[in-house]
Amino acid sequence: AQSVTQLDSQVPVFEEAPVELRCNYSSSVSVYLFWYVQYPNQGLQLLLKYLSGSTLVKGINGFEAEFNKSQTSFHLRKPSVHISDTAEYFCAVSTNYGGATNKLIFGTGTLLAVQP
Amino acid sequence: GAGVSQSPSNKVTEKGKDVELRCDPISGHTALYWYRQRLGQGLEFLIYFQGNSAPDKSGLPSDRFSAERTGESVSTLTIQRTQQEDSAVYLCASSPKPGGSTYNEQFFGPGTRLTVL
Repeated sequence: AQSVTQLDSQVPVFEEAPVELRCNYSSSVSVYLFWYVQYPNQGLQLLLKYLSGSTLVKGINGFEAEFNKSQTSFHLRKPSVHISDTAEYFCAVSTNYGGATNKLIFGTGTLLAVQP
Repeated sequence: GAGVSQSPSNKVTEKGKDVELRCDPISGHTALYWYRQRLGQGLEFLIYFQGNSAPDKSGLPSDRFSAERTGESVSTLTIQRTQQEDSAVYLCASSPKPGGSTYNEQFFGPGTRLTVL
């Protein structure tokens, strides 16, 4: 079975500062990795994904994440945040083998609170 | 084009009542997922539909929960004899292809907030 851990429930940061949101996963098989963002009163939006290839993936709004297989991590980073980045961020994993469901297993989320 | 839509956006019900939540996926998407998001927790997978195949119901928490899908369109999630622990946001997502050798992005609706008094 797969699981996802987001240790930080909330990350306060000042505008224009860098930020890293941590995500660790557990799985006995190869996984696909995702970050979703949920703005207040809105649905989930895909930020970026790692399926294969380069371990550094770039997403929308200047975010990027690095897949580290040895550390089973997929941390999300942004060099300079804006007030508009304030949202809940969810890390998720999925496996796909032999026609499996592609269901997503989510972490509990990290609230990024950007302060002026 | 139109995204995934869900109705109602909010539902308040009394303990013991039945509720139906509706999801309209993106046109042409063959895969449909239901997830539950309880306060302070991540999303939990509930059920998956793909074309005419038997649905994957492995995430349904009890036999009070059921879901149907008409062809490759609308889906309804039904919760019978609601309990207070059923209070959550129920999210629907659709995907352009079923699971295979590649992953296909899931597009999420805005959710239905269910409150059981």
